[in-house]
Amino acid sequence: EAQVTQNPRYLITVTGKKLTVTCSQNMNHEYMSWYRQDPGLGLRQIYYSMNVEVTDKGDVPEGYKVSRKEKRNFPLILESPSPNQTSLYFCASSWGGRVTGRNGYTFGSGTRLTVV
Amino acid sequence: GQQLNQSPQSMFIQEGEDVSMNCTSSSIFNTWLWYKQDPGEGPVLLIALYKAGELTSNGRLTAQFGITRKDSFLNISASIPSDVGIYFCAGPPDNWGKLQFGAGTQVVVTP
Repeated sequence: EAQVTQNPRYLITVTGKKLTVTCSQNMNHEYMSWYRQDPGLGLRQIYYSMNVEVTDKGDVPEGYKVSRKEKRNFPLILESPSPNQTSLYFCASSWGGRVTGRNGYTFGSGTRLTVV
Repeated sequence: GQQLNQSPQSMFIQEGEDVSMNCTSSSIFNTWLWYKQDPGEGPVLLIALYKAGELTSNGRLTAQFGITRKDSFLNISASIPSDVGIYFCAGPPDNWGKLQFGAGTQVVVTP
């Protein structure tokens, strides 16, 4: 089954303790992205990647890191989490705009992160 | 920052009614996408629009790509309880990596 898998689904952590949220896709997509969702603010992009070793900032990159060493994986790293990073996080992947009719991101099921 | 303005923020409707929502952007988009998010899940693509003026349907859902290329509309006809969720418009302002989303329209359907 074609899917984007992110882990964990739920995570409670303490301020300052480094964490990684994993994301993997099995569709051979070139594009991958991380979004955070907060009430009333919709989905805001954190980072995206257009291919292996190619990453760029989205709208809210502060406090986050990413890496794209392999095409299928795109982990999100919080080096020193703070309470304002409490949010619902989504990983997504896409063909990008090069394949008409197969555009748009496919999303994972989300990771609910609470930083106390 | 976010360039998409989506309205209304929320809608409370009775089963059987039609629903309309729209999205406007500050810049021209070449593609408009409409997503639906069910509670506890990630957004799922409903409709993709690629040309100005295009009207596309997916079951009871119909979406249009505005002539100015700065807006799009989504209509849901004869709503049913499973239409409950958050609907998002989205588009790539300059490159497909930076897909941006509106703030969403929360739809609540009452029997």
